Amino acid sequence: GAVVSQHPSWVICKSGTSVKIECRSLDFQATTMFWYRQFPKQSLMLMATSNEGSKATYEQGVEKDKFLINHASLTLSTLTVTSAHPEDSSFYICSAKDTGNFNYGYTFGSGTRLTVV
Amino acid sequence: AQSVTQLDSQVPVFEEAPVELRCNYSSSVSVYLFWYVQYPNQGLQLLLKYLSGSTLVKGINGFEAEFNKSQTSFHLRKPSVHISDTAEYFCAVSSNTGNQFYFGTGTSLTVIP
Repeated sequence: GAVVSQHPSWVICKSGTSVKIECRSLDFQATTMFWYRQFPKQSLMLMATSNEGSKATYEQGVEKDKFLINHASLTLSTLTVTSAHPEDSSFYICSAKDTGNFNYGYTFGSGTRLTVV
Repeated sequence: AQSVTQLDSQVPVFEEAPVELRCNYSSSVSVYLFWYVQYPNQGLQLLLKYLSGSTLVKGINGFEAEFNKSQTSFHLRKPSVHISDTAEYFCAVSSNTGNQFYFGTGTSLTVIP
C-alpha cells in the first residue's frame, strides 16, 4: 500500500529559529501533497496544498511567508516554519494522493509535534 | 466547496456494545467520503472510503459505513466495540477531482470496560 513518511516526528526549537518538516511518498508519486495543522483536541485544519513544480496554494488566514512550502519532486514536499514562535507549537500532518492510483485515497504521514520554547 | 459536520464530539460506549458515529456533509458536486482514525500523537489511518458503487462500505477493524445521498450522510458503525477502538475518529470529504479535502471536527470514542 501507499506509504507517506514524515520527518521528524517531534522537534523542539527556540523561538525565532526555523524548522523544516519533510513529507515523502515512499512507493508512489504524488503531484499533490497537503499540509495540515492540528491543535490539541481539535480537527485537522488544511493549511496549504503543495503542487510539484509550482507554488503552493494557501488557505485563507495562513501566512505563506511564515509557512514556506516547497514541492521540488514528485516524492518530496517540505514545510518550513520560519521565525517560529510559541503559538506555532502544534501537530503538523502531511498527506499525499497517489496520482496514479486513487484507489488508495489519501495517505497521511505520522505527524510532527513541534514545540517552540 | 465542501464541508463536513460530525454531530457528536464525544461518544462513550461500553465494551462489546454497538456504536454509530455520525457524519453529514454538504457539497454542490459529487464527493468522495472517508473515515480516518487517529490514536494519540499519531497520524491518521484510513478506516474506509466511499468513491462510487455500493453505498455500504466495509473497512478495517470491523467498521462499516453507509453512504446516503438523499440524507447527505456517511455514518460509521461497528456492531461490537473493543477497548482498542478508543481513539479520535474523523470524517472527511473530497471533491471527485481530489483537489480539496476537508475534515470534520472529530468524534472522540471512548470504550468503557
